[in-house]
Amino acid sequence: AQSVAQPEDQVNVAEGNPLTVKCTYSVSGNPYLFWYVQYPNRGLQFLLKYITGDNLVKGSYGFEAEFNKSQTSFHLKKPSALVSDSALYFCAVISRGGFKTIFGAGTRLFVKA
Amino acid sequence: NAGVTQTPKFQVLKTGQSMTLQCAQDMNHEYMSWYRQDPGMGLRLIHYSVGAGITDQGEVPNGYNVSRSTTEDFPLRLLSAAPSQTSVYFCASSPIPSGSRETQYFGPGTRLLVL
Repeated sequence: AQSVAQPEDQVNVAEGNPLTVKCTYSVSGNPYLFWYVQYPNRGLQFLLKYITGDNLVKGSYGFEAEFNKSQTSFHLKKPSALVSDSALYFCAVISRGGFKTIFGAGTRLFVKA
Repeated sequence: NAGVTQTPKFQVLKTGQSMTLQCAQDMNHEYMSWYRQDPGMGLRLIHYSVGAGITDQGEVPNGYNVSRSTTEDFPLRLLSAAPSQTSVYFCASSPIPSGSRETQYFGPGTRLLVL
């Protein structure tokens, strides 16, 4: 079965420190990979996506993600965390040619001042 | 553009009642979808549509119906509400139906409580 795993329910970092939110997937072929962010009582907002090409993808608000095909991972990173980055982050995957997006369970990021 | 809008924002139902969650988008997107969000389970796809008159089931379709009579609207119907359908429901749209390298745009959500 196809799946997306976000192994950490919560990630805690201090402001100014680098952050990583992990995502691994089990989807056949070469899927498209996404990260979305959800702030309290809001819908999801797009951060970045991997379609093809360079394994390091840069997105909104200084976030980037590294695609690793051999490890089937797509970890979200930011060099210096801000308190305002505190939110719920979702990894999502969709097969090429498919119509059904699979989401991870989400990782809550807490950045402490 | 208003983007993706959803009504109502919050609804309380009794078990067995029916209701329709409304979703509309003004971006002329062909693809629309409904998700439910439950704690610890992320978002799960209920139904989706690749254009007017075309719908298909997602991961958790039981207890829900959809129709797509226009490009703009994609209502979700709960036929006979059950407590297990207590959740937050999100509608989303994206510009093309195939492959979906495109980003999905999400509505603000409808919080549903079934007693």
